[in-house]
Amino acid sequence: AQKVTQAQTEISVVEKEDVTLDCVYETRDTTYYLFWYKQPPSGELVFLIRRNSFDEQNEISGRYSWNFQKSTSSFNFTITASQVVDSAVYFCALTRNFGNEKLTFGTGTRLTIIP
Amino acid sequence: DTGVSQDPRHKITKRGQNVTFRCDPISEHNRLYWYRQTLGQGPEFLTYFQNEAQLEKSRLLSDRFSAERPKGSFSTLEIQRTEQGDSAMYLCASSAEGGSYEQYFGPGTRLTVT
Repeated sequence: AQKVTQAQTEISVVEKEDVTLDCVYETRDTTYYLFWYKQPPSGELVFLIRRNSFDEQNEISGRYSWNFQKSTSSFNFTITASQVVDSAVYFCALTRNFGNEKLTFGTGTRLTIIP
Repeated sequence: DTGVSQDPRHKITKRGQNVTFRCDPISEHNRLYWYRQTLGQGPEFLTYFQNEAQLEKSRLLSDRFSAERPKGSFSTLEIQRTEQGDSAMYLCASSAEGGSYEQYFGPGTRLTVT
């Protein structure tokens, strides 16, 4: 069985601070994909990133960066110089094989950026 | 390219009534997924289709739930004899076979059973 744990239920930071959202996963599959989604107050889930189990390179996209470590089964997400528009619930998710099967989500981290 | 659309956006029904939701995926996406999300939780998988074939159903999908995708395009999710525990956001997503496999989500249908 697959499991995703997001231990941080809520985080609040002051605007322009950096913040890291933690994600720990469990799976017995050797091939799997990890995802991060953003759910703003409007409610629609927005895809942010996908990473496969064979690619441990960190990725940076603008103010966003992701750190994937197989040794600790973690896929953490960092927002640099946070902005009010980053306020949302962020979900980490996992799927087996080639990424086009069902997603197993964590319970999410509610991030509030204080202006 | 339009995104995933869902209809209705909100549905209030009385316990025991039947409800049906519709999802229109991104055109040319052959995989379609249904999830359910309750307050403070992440989405939970219900079922998914590849074209018109239903490939997997969760144990969450009781006999009162049925999903169809008759022509491999839009899908419907029906809940019969609704219960208060069915109150949730029902999310639909689609993805392309052979593509980068990201699932793109619709805005959801919020169901309230009174």
